[in-house]
Amino acid sequence: GDSVTQMEGPVTLSEEAFLTINCTYTATGYPSLFWYVQYPGEGLQLLLKATKADDKGSNKGFEATYRKETTSFHLEKGSVQVSDSAVYFCATVTQGGSEKLVFGKGTKLTVNP
Amino acid sequence: GAGVSQTPSNKVTEKGKYVELRCDPISGHTALYWYRQSLGQGPEFLIYFQGTGAADDSGLPNDRFFAVRPEGSVSTLKIQRTERGDSAVYLCASSPAGGLGTDTQYFGPGTRLTVL
Repeated sequence: GDSVTQMEGPVTLSEEAFLTINCTYTATGYPSLFWYVQYPGEGLQLLLKATKADDKGSNKGFEATYRKETTSFHLEKGSVQVSDSAVYFCATVTQGGSEKLVFGKGTKLTVNP
Repeated sequence: GAGVSQTPSNKVTEKGKYVELRCDPISGHTALYWYRQSLGQGPEFLIYFQGTGAADDSGLPNDRFFAVRPEGSVSTLKIQRTERGDSAVYLCASSPAGGLGTDTQYFGPGTRLTVL
């Protein structure tokens, strides 16, 4: 079945550092890819998504590019802020199949001032 | 507008009891999903509704778990004879249409279930 392998944390960075969180996927069909974020004490919310190969999703300074050749969807941000401290989840849905999201285990990011 | 709401926010019960968890999706969303999130893990799929019908219930762990959506809006997740291993945060999500695999799923705040 579909699966997502996500870089395990925790990750601790200083403010303004560069962030990469790796995510690779396996899918039997043609997947859509998502990054969700869970801020402390809040619910899951969509950060960005891409639905076809070579698409780049972006939001709040975060970016991820759907790479079919490497089956990857790595999350990047050029300069993190303390407010980016959260748990980040990579997820996939197979288009045309069941609508279920398959999540990675999550990566906890802490940004220190 | 209003997001997905879930009640109760917290539920503590004793082993063997029956519980119901409620989800109010975003108005007009035809697709509704239930997930379960254990501590330190990503959410795991339980069941997906398209309208009133369960389109995929492959994630329900056993026959103690059941969910309904009788009028195509509010959904109730029902757990019989609860066990300590059922303790988790139960998340509900909705999306506008479903069926394409490209829709964004909007999540509620979750119900934290603790089985003593």
